[in-house]
Amino acid sequence: SAVISQKPSRDICQRGTSLTIQCQVDSQVTMMFWYRQQPGQSLTLIATANQGSEATYESGFVIDKFPISRPNLTFSTLTVSNMSPEDSSIYLCSVEGRGAQYFGPGTRLTVL
Amino acid sequence: DQQVKQNSPSLSVQEGRISILNCDYTNSMFDYFLWYKKYPAEGPTFLISISSIKDKNEDGRFTVFLNKSAKHLSLHIVPSQPGDSAVYFCAASPAGGTSYGKLTFGQGTILTVHP
Repeated sequence: SAVISQKPSRDICQRGTSLTIQCQVDSQVTMMFWYRQQPGQSLTLIATANQGSEATYESGFVIDKFPISRPNLTFSTLTVSNMSPEDSSIYLCSVEGRGAQYFGPGTRLTVL
Repeated sequence: DQQVKQNSPSLSVQEGRISILNCDYTNSMFDYFLWYKKYPAEGPTFLISISSIKDKNEDGRFTVFLNKSAKHLSLHIVPSQPGDSAVYFCAASPAGGTSYGKLTFGQGTILTVHP
């Protein structure tokens, strides 16, 4: 399976600011996914990012709040904009692989 | 609307015994099912999957059973080891989903295996 890294691993941010999370994969993949895990909750898909096209967002998530870039086949970023305490979550990227999706280690975000 | 449900928040098992984790789903469009294990401060790790055309898939100590008519799947771990202690998530993907995308996850079950 692919090796996936995320930066930062964790951050504490102030309300109203934005944070960009990076996801790097060690091999080329067509589709990358961004998930959120709120405290005590399950994982929820935010959007699917294909290289060369706009991301596809799931119900309840909008581009203005979670802009995504996918400049090449090994890299993607997710920005959490105008943050509020409700955005405190673990954000995870994943990639398609053999028989499953494979996840990065996650970014733990705390918004004060 | 919780389309994938893991009704047991936690499970405690003795080392060497069997662990059985259960998962129910409501969406008939789900066609492919996966189990993940998650340790604190790490991303979910893929364990095993099953397609709806099968009712059983086995990989070492892990076996997944699918009862499509009951919309129920279970993960059996035999024998359980203390290192298996983690949160286990089941996930489902719709028929025709590309690259197993659009995974819908259950709430997770915390498994504790006691020595």
